[in-house]
Amino acid sequence: EADIYQTPRYLVIGTGKKITLECSQTMGHDKMYWYQQDPGMELHLIHYSYGVNSTEKGDLSSESTVSRIRTEHFPLTLESARPSHTSQYLCASSRPSGYNEQFFGPGTRLTVL
Amino acid sequence: AQSVTQLGSHVSVSEGALVLLRCNYSSSVPPYLFWYVQYPNQGLQLLLKYTSAATLVKGINGFEAEFKKSETSFHLTKPSAHMSDAAEYFCAVSDGTGRRALTFGSGTRLQVQP
Repeated sequence: EADIYQTPRYLVIGTGKKITLECSQTMGHDKMYWYQQDPGMELHLIHYSYGVNSTEKGDLSSESTVSRIRTEHFPLTLESARPSHTSQYLCASSRPSGYNEQFFGPGTRLTVL
Repeated sequence: AQSVTQLGSHVSVSEGALVLLRCNYSSSVPPYLFWYVQYPNQGLQLLLKYTSAATLVKGINGFEAEFKKSETSFHLTKPSAHMSDAAEYFCAVSDGTGRRALTFGSGTRLQVQP
């Protein structure tokens, strides 16, 4: 059973605020990912990590940053939120195998006013 | 490089009718293929996966998909739609190296009419 958690589920915040979206998994997966998804649209990879102290930018340019200090934890930070950051953010993790089957968290829906 | 094309951003069927969601892929290496479902305000849930074993793959909730190499397709089917099947469906491909994330299609929204 996949256990990957994201908090908060919903966040409404004003422009210029610093925010951190939390993502944790209890499966011991080395690889973790952040996707951005606008309503009714496809997923765009914004960050990924192969393990502790490893982070890479994804296909879609993002002003957010990530860190991977612990295997189970992969938080995403926006230093100064803007309305253009309004979106759904999905966190995922995968086993260390060639299949790359990914398990997804429930997502955080962010609204920046 | 890999890519996924999902034909039809919206599909509407009647309850009890056949569901067919189309997915074509492009991959320079033998692919691994996935179908995910997303219900409103939720993350993605794996429906089924093809990992080079049987070409006809059975998944959860009565869905199945057939891998056809000659057609580079991995269409998703269900014999009889249920109202609870209404959701967004995503096809995805992995190159099998495990190095990168999946490449997702743009999604197909399935509506089920009573």
